[in-house]
Amino acid sequence: DVKVTQSSRYLVKRTGEKVFLECVQDMDHENMFWYRQDPGLGLRLIYFSYDVKMKEKGDIAEGYSVSREKKERFSLILESASTNQTSMYLCASSLSGGSGNTIYFGEGSWLTVV
Amino acid sequence: AQSVTQPDIHITVSEGASLELRCNYSYGATPYLFWYVQSPGQGLQLLLKYFSGDTLVQGIKGFEAEFKRSQSSFNLRKPSVHWSDAAEYFCAVGLYSGGGADGLTFGKGTHLIIQP
Repeated sequence: DVKVTQSSRYLVKRTGEKVFLECVQDMDHENMFWYRQDPGLGLRLIYFSYDVKMKEKGDIAEGYSVSREKKERFSLILESASTNQTSMYLCASSLSGGSGNTIYFGEGSWLTVV
Repeated sequence: AQSVTQPDIHITVSEGASLELRCNYSYGATPYLFWYVQSPGQGLQLLLKYFSGDTLVQGIKGFEAEFKRSQSSFNLRKPSVHWSDAAEYFCAVGLYSGGGADGLTFGKGTHLIIQP
């Protein structure tokens, strides 16, 4: 089975802190994604990566950056956390070849910024 | 740009009753269509997906969905729900790009409540 692991399930950070959310997948998938989930808004794509060191902005990239130095690891970075970034963050991965391939999700990271 | 509409924010169904969750998409061609389920505090799990061919798709946990091109719909159904089906359900669409990584566009979700 594909496993997407988000190392931190629950985090509480202070406004202005730099925050790292880590994600690792074990199926040699080329594509990795970060989504944000908020009540009533569904899932919104923050960033995706289709290869090591390659990244593309999603719909709500402002205030976020990402890093993909190794194929299996995709990190989301909040350079200066703000309270409006309190949310659930979902990492996902898939094979390359277009969005017809199934996207597999991690269990999510709940971030509270105070 | 493609969009996905799930018109029902909440649905309450009695255990053992049938279920239909609605999903409409907006896109000029036929996209890839997906239904995901999210149990409380968990990530998303794929229930089923449609690419082409038979418009009635069978998924896991006894769910099925029917693609209707004329209505731009991809409704999810289950003949008899169980208490364990209580969850958030998301419809999603994707486009074939031939390469690269296109994320899916998700609907806002339907929260399913099961009454005993």
